[in-house]
Amino acid sequence: AQKVTQAQTEISVVEKEDVTLDCVYETRDTTYYLFWYKQPPSGELVFLIRRNSFDEQNEISGRYSWNFQKSTSSFNFTITASQVVDSAVYFCALRGGAGNMLTFGGGTRLMVKP
Amino acid sequence: EPEVTQTPSHQVTQMGQEVILRCVPISNHLYFYWYRQILGQKVEFLVSFYNNEISEKSEIFDDQFSVERPDGSNFTLKIRSTKLEDSAMYFCASSSAGTLGYTFGSGTRLTVV
Repeated sequence: AQKVTQAQTEISVVEKEDVTLDCVYETRDTTYYLFWYKQPPSGELVFLIRRNSFDEQNEISGRYSWNFQKSTSSFNFTITASQVVDSAVYFCALRGGAGNMLTFGGGTRLMVKP
Repeated sequence: EPEVTQTPSHQVTQMGQEVILRCVPISNHLYFYWYRQILGQKVEFLVSFYNNEISEKSEIFDDQFSVERPDGSNFTLKIRSTKLEDSAMYFCASSSAGTLGYTFGSGTRLTVV
């Protein structure tokens, strides 16, 4: 069975602060894939990143960065210098090696105040 | 950039009525999915569809649900007799063979009254 846990249900920061969203996963698969999605107030799911289990290299994309640590089964997401437009619900998701379904975490609602 | 298109964006239906949610996946994608998100909760997998048949389904996807690819472009989710608890946002997604990226549609908000 697969499981994704996002322990932070809601985070509130002031603009320009850095913020890290935690994601912990469980899977028995040796090959798996991790994702982050953003869900703005308009409701759509916006793809942010995909990472496979063999690639533990951290990734940076502009103000976004991701820290993948297999040893702790975590795939955390950091937003540097947060902006009001970053306000959204962020979901971490896992896909196992077999099958195509995504298992989502419960989401973290990020509120960035001006 | 190619998109997954879902219609309608919002549907209100009476309990016990049948509804059909429609999706147009990306044209060269081969795998199609439906997910559900009850308001304020997480996104849950319903079903995946490949080569004109269901490849996986969750416990949520019971006999009230069915999927169909009636032609070369549409992918539909039918709920036979809606219940209040079917009220949710329904997302369609598609992916191509050999890649792991999913493209989600913008969702259909179903409200059962």
